Amino acid sequence: GENVEQHPSTLSVQEGDSAVIKCTYSDSASNYFPWYKQELGKRPQLIIDIRSNVGEKKDQRIAVTLNKTAKHFSLHITETQPEDSAVYFCAATKAAGNKLTFGGGTRVLVKP
Amino acid sequence: GAVVSQHPSWVICKSGTSVKIECRSLDFQATTMFWYRQFPKQSLMLMATSNEGSKATYEQGVEKDKFLINHASLTLSTLTVTSAHPEDSSFYICSAERGFNTEAFFGQGTRLTVV
Repeated sequence: GENVEQHPSTLSVQEGDSAVIKCTYSDSASNYFPWYKQELGKRPQLIIDIRSNVGEKKDQRIAVTLNKTAKHFSLHITETQPEDSAVYFCAATKAAGNKLTFGGGTRVLVKP
Repeated sequence: GAVVSQHPSWVICKSGTSVKIECRSLDFQATTMFWYRQFPKQSLMLMATSNEGSKATYEQGVEKDKFLINHASLTLSTLTVTSAHPEDSSFYICSAERGFNTEAFFGQGTRLTVV
């Protein structure tokens, strides 16, 4: 089955700096890669996703890149703000809405 | 966006008792729902796939007789933790897909504490 590795496990950045989180996956059949933000005790919130036919996607301060050949995908957050502090999870699946395999999570702390 | 609701949001039960958690899709029909478990400071791990009108599909290592799943209608799946033990204490979250190849929508989660 699918295996998703996520790094780093914790990330501390100064407000205004950029944050980058990287994930790798094992199943070449995976073609949908969502990123979730989860605050303590809350449900995961989809912040951006990318499908395998696209190499990059951007939404305001958030961008995701995908390298299908290397089975890597990354989340980039620019101009970080304290409210970006949360745990971020990457995931992979064969089709959107299907069962997800999550990475281990990255705890992001944005220091004011 | 679509809404998936879980009930209860939190529950405390005694060891040996059973607890039922409901997952409802409020504004769409879901033939498939997924149940995940999340231990503190860990990731979400898929427990099972709930299929409307048929048996659930459990992931390796998940006891089907302990975690009973029923998906009796297109808007409701239930997870019953039977004979709960303290090690079952966790955050249980369901998700549902609104249509093929569309994003998953998560319930708000249920925090189960077994004492």
